[in-house]
Amino acid sequence: SQQGEEDPQALSIQEGENATMNCSYKTSINNLQWYRQNSGRGLVHLILIRSNEREKHSGRLRVTLDTSKKSSSLLITASRAADTASYFCATVDSGAGSYQLTFGKGTKLSVIP
Amino acid sequence: NAGVTQTPKFRVLKTGQSMTLLCAQDMNHEYMYWYRQDPGMGLRLIHYSVGEGTTAKGEVPDGYNVSRLKKQNFLLGLESAAPSQTSVYFCASGRQAEAFFGQGTRLTVV
Repeated sequence: SQQGEEDPQALSIQEGENATMNCSYKTSINNLQWYRQNSGRGLVHLILIRSNEREKHSGRLRVTLDTSKKSSSLLITASRAADTASYFCATVDSGAGSYQLTFGKGTKLSVIP
Repeated sequence: NAGVTQTPKFRVLKTGQSMTLLCAQDMNHEYMYWYRQDPGMGLRLIHYSVGEGTTAKGEVPDGYNVSRLKKQNFLLGLESAAPSQTSVYFCASGRQAEAFFGQGTRLTVV
């Protein structure tokens, strides 16, 4: 079964507002990554957080990781219409020899101008 | 600067037909992946490879076969297509820290 589960499934906000998406996963991980997918396109890597990190920033993106709760959140600050896309979390298991990159079902974000 | 290239971009198959999807990467990555994306299901891993000559099963491997004869290419085969294999297929290459995706192949099986 899929590793990650994003919440909410869909989110609609006004331009300028912050958007928060959550991801829960099931097993111990090596790292957790967030990806973005524009409609009809492939996924693009946004940010990675390692299992020994608790928070990471990149531009308007802030990612947190709570390994005790097996959850992560992605915050997009001061959202823009161009942020409209689907966002996915993906995990790499910490098991020996594990190379699988497993995705959740995604959050569809709509930013209204 | 091609990155990850998938061919074809669109295909319609009849039930029972076979086809091969090609993925090519020019970044010298060891890892390559094949995913399918269905509405409401996110991306599900079909098969993956950790290097030339190696393949491994993912979450939904049934009905698919793969080969990695050259490091830069990862082929996904459907021996006898079924309507349940109608989907958008994505190839990716990379490493544990980041994956790079192709633009997808939209496959319809009628």
